[in-house]
Amino acid sequence: GNSVTQMEGPVTLSEEAFLTINCTYTATGYPSLFWYVQYPGEGLQLLLKATKADDKGSNKGFEATYRKETTSFHLEKGSVQVSDSAVYFCALITNSGGSNYKLTFGKGTLLTVNP
Amino acid sequence: NAGVTQTPKFRVLKTGQSMTLLCAQDMNHEYMYWYRQDPGMGLRLIHYSVGEGTTAKGEVPDGYNVSRLKKQNFLLGLESAAPSQTSVYFCASSSLGTAYGYTFGSGTRLTVV
Repeated sequence: GNSVTQMEGPVTLSEEAFLTINCTYTATGYPSLFWYVQYPGEGLQLLLKATKADDKGSNKGFEATYRKETTSFHLEKGSVQVSDSAVYFCALITNSGGSNYKLTFGKGTLLTVNP
Repeated sequence: NAGVTQTPKFRVLKTGQSMTLLCAQDMNHEYMYWYRQDPGMGLRLIHYSVGEGTTAKGEVPDGYNVSRLKKQNFLLGLESAAPSQTSVYFCASSSLGTAYGYTFGSGTRLTVV
């Protein structure tokens, strides 16, 4: 079956620090990969995605590269802001013989950025 | 530009009471999902639907029922609420295909006392 493993938090950084949140996956078939962000008191929002190997998804200064050889999709940002404080979820979706396109989520990583 | 709308946003129930959570989407999506989110557990799929008139069980379906009588609506019912069902419930919808992610609602915070 499919699974997503992401680094456990919480992660606490100072403003302008470099961020990496690790994500690795196992999947049947050829997955598309996603990062979602959940700000306090809100639902999940799609942050970025990549649908094939070596694709780089990017949005709001965040980036992640689909690495098939290492089955990874690590999230990075060069300089975090206080407003980036949120929970980040890595996720994948496959279509292998009628998987009904269900997203498989990691457990989430809480990021807190201090001024 | 509504996307996915959940009602109500907050609710307090007494043990044994029943209620229905409503999810509505205006994007003509085929798939709809109900998740619960609990501290340290991430998101867990309760039920999902691949089209109007169809529903299927997810990881944690016990104690919940769903219906999808119209393509745009997906209802989640609790017939006899229990304290273990205290959680934040999220609805989501998606298009067909693996290139699409989900669009989520803003959640319903349910407390069962």
